[in-house]
Amino acid sequence: EVVMTQSPATMSVSPGERATLSCRASQSVTTFLAWYQQKPGQAPRLLIYGASTRATGIPSRFSGSGSGTEFTLTISSLQSEDFAVYYCQQYNKWPTFGQGTKVEIK
Amino acid sequence: QVTLKESGPVLVKPTETLTLTCTVSGFSLSNTRMVVTWIRQPPGRALEWLAHIFSDDEKAYSASLRSRLTVSKDTSKSQVVLTVTNLDPVDTATYYCARSSSGYYYDYFDFWGQGTLVTVSS
Repeated sequence: EVVMTQSPATMSVSPGERATLSCRASQSVTTFLAWYQQKPGQAPRLLIYGASTRATGIPSRFSGSGSGTEFTLTISSLQSEDFAVYYCQQYNKWPTFGQGTKVEIK
Repeated sequence: QVTLKESGPVLVKPTETLTLTCTVSGFSLSNTRMVVTWIRQPPGRALEWLAHIFSDDEKAYSASLRSRLTVSKDTSKSQVVLTVTNLDPVDTATYYCARSSSGYYYDYFDFWGQGTLVTVSS
């Protein structure tokens, strides 16, 4: 099983600031990495796939980077609707998810 | 418009069998690129991949739960069914069905159902 580790578990950010979320895989997943946003009581929403490709309708303030075992999701200027939990998921092998990073208002 | 919707019981007793149905619209389960996956999320915890099914009826299961899971589909009804046997309170979770469409055997999920919370309790 590929273990996905996200850091930090929680981050406090002010609106308009930049947020950088990290995701590490226990073995290489090349670029088979996706990011999701989940708000309370809602299903996850796909943000990024292929490590860096934005899904349809996702604003350009969301960007993904990385390959192999180290990945980053950057939100360039946080908007009020961006405060949520973010999950990474690898699909190089049997899919596994990280534990999530909660982005909260500072 | 692609939609998925889960349905099933909200409360089940330990040792019972859970049957969940995912009804899809906006795409066909016979399309070779379409895969439907079941994923669950215990309260306050992370997501866990359970099983998926392809258009040709090929299936895959979580290694840790394989003996308790069965996934099937009825293409004519646009439905995918998941059964989980021998339920335990640790199986309490929101169960989601989700779609993949890029054609990889293991994939990311571009559309999700709203989820259904299943509580296992006597």
